[in-house]
Amino acid sequence: DIQMTQSPSSVSASVGDRVTITCRASRDVSTWLAWYQQKPGQAPKLLIYAVSNLQSGVPSRFSGSGSGTDFALTISSLQPGDSATYYCQKGNSFLSLAFGGGTKVEIK
Amino acid sequence: EVQLVESGGGLVQPGGSLRLSCAASGFTFISYWMTWVRQAPGKGLEWVASIKGDGSEKYHVDSVKGRFTISRDNTKNSLYLQMASLSAEDTAVYYCARETSGSGIEFDYWGQGTLVTVSS
Repeated sequence: DIQMTQSPSSVSASVGDRVTITCRASRDVSTWLAWYQQKPGQAPKLLIYAVSNLQSGVPSRFSGSGSGTDFALTISSLQPGDSATYYCQKGNSFLSLAFGGGTKVEIK
Repeated sequence: EVQLVESGGGLVQPGGSLRLSCAASGFTFISYWMTWVRQAPGKGLEWVASIKGDGSEKYHVDSVKGRFTISRDNTKNSLYLQMASLSAEDTAVYYCARETSGSGIEFDYWGQGTLVTVSS
């Protein structure tokens, strides 16, 4: 099975800061990588699919990059409403679908 | 507007059974793969099972194989998860989600979740 490892597990930053979260796959997942945002008590929300494609309605301060085994989610200018836990998800086969462990983003 | 509404969660004893339901609306249900994802208290997301639009293909995570079965009724726009031989490790919020039907596998709409608690 392919494992997805996120780092850091948590990050604290100020409003306006640039925040980058990384996700590493144990094997090549090509460009089949999605990112989700989950706020407390809410369902996850799809932010980015296929590494860098922004889901409809998602602010442009969110961006994704990477390929193969190393990926990143960047928030270019952190906003108060971005406080949440972020998950990466490998997505090219139901036989080995997996989420990363999550990264909690807090506002200082 | 796409809506997914789960129901059927609750408290069940170890070894017991439960059936979760997810009522879908606002889209052509049969055209989409549907999925169950769970989240144990304070933990991350775990994919549980997925089913093709016509029900002809199903996949389950290894930890639930032989105990959980995903199914759907396209005449009722409903998704189900039949769960048996439940243990404390199955305690979680269970979400139903719609797969985007793009090139990859990702989930663009989620329900609010239903809590399953396995405890004596």
